Amino acid sequence: AQSVTQPDIHITVSEGASLELRCNYSYGATPYLFWYVQSPGQGLQLLLKYFSGDTLVQGIKGFEAEFKRSQSSFNLRKPSVHWSDAAEYFCAVGGQAGTALIFGKGTTLSVSS
Amino acid sequence: GAGVSQSPSNKVTEKGKDVELRCDPISGHTALYWYRQSLGQGLEFLIYFQGNSAPDKSGLPSDRFSAERTGGSVSTLTIQRTQQEDSAVYLCASSFGLVGTDTQYFGPGTRLTVL
Repeated sequence: AQSVTQPDIHITVSEGASLELRCNYSYGATPYLFWYVQSPGQGLQLLLKYFSGDTLVQGIKGFEAEFKRSQSSFNLRKPSVHWSDAAEYFCAVGGQAGTALIFGKGTTLSVSS
Repeated sequence: GAGVSQSPSNKVTEKGKDVELRCDPISGHTALYWYRQSLGQGLEFLIYFQGNSAPDKSGLPSDRFSAERTGGSVSTLTIQRTQQEDSAVYLCASSFGLVGTDTQYFGPGTRLTVL
């Protein structure tokens, strides 16, 4: 079955500390992978995406993610977290034409001062 | 240009009433998607449109849910005889096409509360 797992429901990180949000997927075809962020009361904003090529992708707001096919993972990282990064983060997988994205249940990030 | 817009932003209704949710996609985007986001449940795919056609309606939770798209643009999601379990945020997204590499851009959502 096609699915996305985000093992961490809630993470708290100190401001200035590094961050890694985990994402594992199960997908029968070539996966296209996405990370979205949702701030309270807002829609989803695309952070970054991976289709092919370099397995380390750079996104907006200083985020990056690394695709590891052998581990079926697409973890999101940021070297230094800012208070404004507090939000909910969603990993998603797609690929087959005419199908919607499959989302994980999200990870809520809190940033402590 | 403008992003995806949705209206209303909030809707409170009584159980048993019908509601219509509207989505205006990004101009030129041929694909449009509806998702439902319930507390703690992540995003649940409901239906997508390619142009005005919805090839797969199996994601709609029940026959009380229907959706249409006209002119390859605006879409409405209608929920008849609303139930309390319909309370959720309904998100709309659009993409240039249906190719897997076409990024989906999301609207701000409509928060539906059924009393």
